[in-house]
Amino acid sequence: DQQVKQNSPSLSVQEGRISILNCDYTNSMFDYFLWYKKYPAEGPTFLISISSIKDKNEDGRFTVFLNKSAKHLSLHIVPSQPGDSAVYFCAASFAGGTNAGKSTFGDGTTLTVKP
Amino acid sequence: KAGVTQTPRYLIKTRGQQVTLSCSPISGHRSVSWYQQTPGQGLQFLFEYFSETQRNKGNFPGRFSGRQFSNSRSEMNVSTLELGDSALYLCASSLQGQGEQFFGPGTRLTVL
Repeated sequence: DQQVKQNSPSLSVQEGRISILNCDYTNSMFDYFLWYKKYPAEGPTFLISISSIKDKNEDGRFTVFLNKSAKHLSLHIVPSQPGDSAVYFCAASFAGGTNAGKSTFGDGTTLTVKP
Repeated sequence: KAGVTQTPRYLIKTRGQQVTLSCSPISGHRSVSWYQQTPGQGLQFLFEYFSETQRNKGNFPGRFSGRQFSNSRSEMNVSTLELGDSALYLCASSLQGQGEQFFGPGTRLTVL
């Protein structure tokens, strides 16, 4: 049972346009949702997160939207830059309890931003 | 602050052997989690340690084990290696185990 799914393995956008990466989840008990970016030969780096009690969080060019009723979140990058080309992972985690320290990741979406 | 470090970065082993990977978390972080990433796959959770105790474990066979030391450094061990164990093993640390995790560069294990 894959609790976090990223249905698009890849996405290609033109520089300056908007990139929208999508993620679906099945467990309504998740407390946090996070996006990580990963370059080849490096570990993932944290990008932005959102608490389950919010529906939007913005940080510069990056905005994450959460639709709890649809169990769906999305990451918007505006404007997209060639340096944003990487693999993006969606992840979900709990605030504590027996699932503390465990993040559930999607399979990732490879974003390519063309100059 | 120094980031999460993992050693070794690359490892080649043969089937049946065992391997030990090491992770040093960010200073002050007490939670260390381990993940396995295989080609085209997301990160699969192995286990998490907090204050030397395993709090959580993923769906991996008993050949995969780990431990955490009093200085929060962690090791994971894989015994009786199989070809399918070839993967990137990532370690991540956080203060208490929730929210944002900081990842190391990973150890690339190849089993021949």
